[in-house]
Amino acid sequence: QQQVKQSPQSLIVQKGGIPIINCAYENTAFDYFPWYQQFPGKGPALLIAIRPDVSEKKEGRFTISFNKSAKQFSLHIMDSQPGDSATYFCAASPPSGTYKYIFGTGTRLKVLA
Amino acid sequence: NAGVTQTPKFRILKIGQSMTLQCTQDMNHNYMYWYRQDPGMGLKLIYYSVGAGITDKGEVPNGYNVSRSTTEDFPLRLELAAPSQTSVYFCASQIRNRNRDREQPQHFGDGTRLSIL
Repeated sequence: QQQVKQSPQSLIVQKGGIPIINCAYENTAFDYFPWYQQFPGKGPALLIAIRPDVSEKKEGRFTISFNKSAKQFSLHIMDSQPGDSATYFCAASPPSGTYKYIFGTGTRLKVLA
Repeated sequence: NAGVTQTPKFRILKIGQSMTLQCTQDMNHNYMYWYRQDPGMGLKLIYYSVGAGITDKGEVPNGYNVSRSTTEDFPLRLELAAPSQTSVYFCASQIRNRNRDREQPQHFGDGTRLSIL
């Protein structure tokens, strides 16, 4: 129940395409869902986050879609660029005092020029 | 403002050796975390701390120890290195308050790449 399942494991798109990364969770107590972006040799950095009381959130070219009933959320990258090539992690946080994130297994995205 | 600083960046250990991975943050964050990242496995929480003097186990604590004597520092200790501890280790920090509507992100260091042979 504490798992977050992320797919696909890897993804290759052409420049300008719209890669979509999906995550699914079981624990309905999760109430905060961040996405992290990681470049090679660097630590993860927060990209965008959403709470289950909204169905969509946009920040620049990045959009999170959230389906509470299906317990799924996804990241869309509009007009993808080669600089977006990175590994993306979804995560979920339970409403406990320690805010321990449960991370997905990551998606390696490559955007071709 | 350096953020979260981890040292060393790379290290090779022999089986049975011990070492300490250093982590320091200059953002006055109260929460700190240690994760390990294995290929295709995402990030697994090893230990975390909610403030100076307080630590607790995460998902994969066996073989590791931590201490938090100051707000800034959160070292991770490997006492008897084993090949299964070959991984990339990330330290993170976060400011936490009671208002989850204004939750701040976890800030990560650039990692320590550890190989045990």
